[in-house]
Amino acid sequence: DIQMTQSPATLSASVGDRVTITCRASQTISSWLAWYQQKPGKAPKLLIYKASSLESGVPSRFSGSGSGTEFTLTISSLQPDDFATYYCQQYDTYKTFGQGTKVEIK
Amino acid sequence: QVQLHESGPGLVKPSGTLSLTCGVSGDSISSNNWWSWVRQSPGKGLEWIGEVNHGGTTNYSPSLKSRVTISVDKSQNQFSLKVTSVTAADTAVYYCVRGSLGGFLDHWGQGTLVIVSS
Repeated sequence: DIQMTQSPATLSASVGDRVTITCRASQTISSWLAWYQQKPGKAPKLLIYKASSLESGVPSRFSGSGSGTEFTLTISSLQPDDFATYYCQQYDTYKTFGQGTKVEIK
Repeated sequence: QVQLHESGPGLVKPSGTLSLTCGVSGDSISSNNWWSWVRQSPGKGLEWIGEVNHGGTTNYSPSLKSRVTISVDKSQNQFSLKVTSVTAADTAVYYCVRGSLGGFLDHWGQGTLVIVSS
């Protein structure tokens, strides 16, 4: 199984901050990585696919980078609507999610 | 637009079988996509259960493979999940999801809570 490890588990930040979340795969997954945003009581929403491709309709302040085993999700200027939990997911071999990163208000 | 909607019992007895159906609108179940189930235990992260394509080919999470069956019904434009021998650990919100041809999960149902309890 491919394991996905996100860090940090929780991140406290303020509106306007630049935020970076890291995701590591237990083996190489090329660029077969997606990022999702989930708000309480709601289904996850696709933000980024193929490591760095922005899903249609997602604000450009979200960006993704990386390949192989190390990936990052960056929010360039945190907005009030961005306080949520973020998950990475590999789709190289079946599908596996990271454990999530909660972005909370500082 | 693509919409998915889960349906099924919200309460299942321990050792019983959990059965859910996902109705799809705005896309054909016969398209070149994969159709997945993902679950989320209360207060926990997301867990991929498995997927099916229009031809009935399936892939399952190794940790659940022995208890899970996912099938497709092209006539009803829906797909289904069965989990056997359930325990309290199977209590979760279950989401049905469209997987793009590329493999990422681009359209999600609203989710349905299934509680395993006597």
